Amino acid sequence: QQRVKQSPQSLIVQKGGISIINCAYENTAFDYFPWYQQFPGKGPALLIAIRPDVSEKKEGRFTISFNKSAKQFSLHIMDSQPGDSATYFCAANGGYSGGGADGLTFGKGTHLIIQP
Amino acid sequence: DTAVSQTPKYLVTQMGNDKSIKCEQNLGHDTMYWYKQDSKKFLKIMFSYNNKELIINETVPNRFSPKSPDKAHLNLHINSLELGDSAVYFCASSQGAGDEKLFFGSGTQLSVL
Repeated sequence: QQRVKQSPQSLIVQKGGISIINCAYENTAFDYFPWYQQFPGKGPALLIAIRPDVSEKKEGRFTISFNKSAKQFSLHIMDSQPGDSATYFCAANGGYSGGGADGLTFGKGTHLIIQP
Repeated sequence: DTAVSQTPKYLVTQMGNDKSIKCEQNLGHDTMYWYKQDSKKFLKIMFSYNNKELIINETVPNRFSPKSPDKAHLNLHINSLELGDSAVYFCASSQGAGDEKLFFGSGTQLSVL
């Protein structure tokens, strides 16, 4: 059972355009929603994250929009650049009882290509 | 200095062999993880250790055995390798058990022939 559903699987955007990647979750125990960026041959790296008490978080060209009632969140990349071409993963933390090192549940990833 | 380092970067081996992947972090973190990324890029947690103690052990065959000699190291030993074990294995760390920010290594690409 996939606990975090991500779409689209792949996305092509023209340079300067807006890239939008969507995620949906089912488990209301999740309380932390990060986005990770992965370049080929590298490990994922944290890009931006949000908690359910806010509806939007912006860092530079990257914005997370969060809709708690719909259990959805999305990543917007403004003024997309070729250097943004990478695989993006949404994730959620929580859902394990007893606390401790819960780890992250990842979406299946979106392969983003920004065309010059 | 690399924060989370894994060795080897590539590992090619025959079915039935036993192999190990080493991981070290120099961030002073208390918690370390192993994730598996399959050919479709799906990332799934395998194990989590906090201060050398096993916290999470997902549904992973018991051919996979993590070992944490100290909190800066978490090694992964795999016995009787199978074709389906081919994947990229990522080590990660976080400051504490409740700290969700993960720092990943650059991965070990395992190919079982």
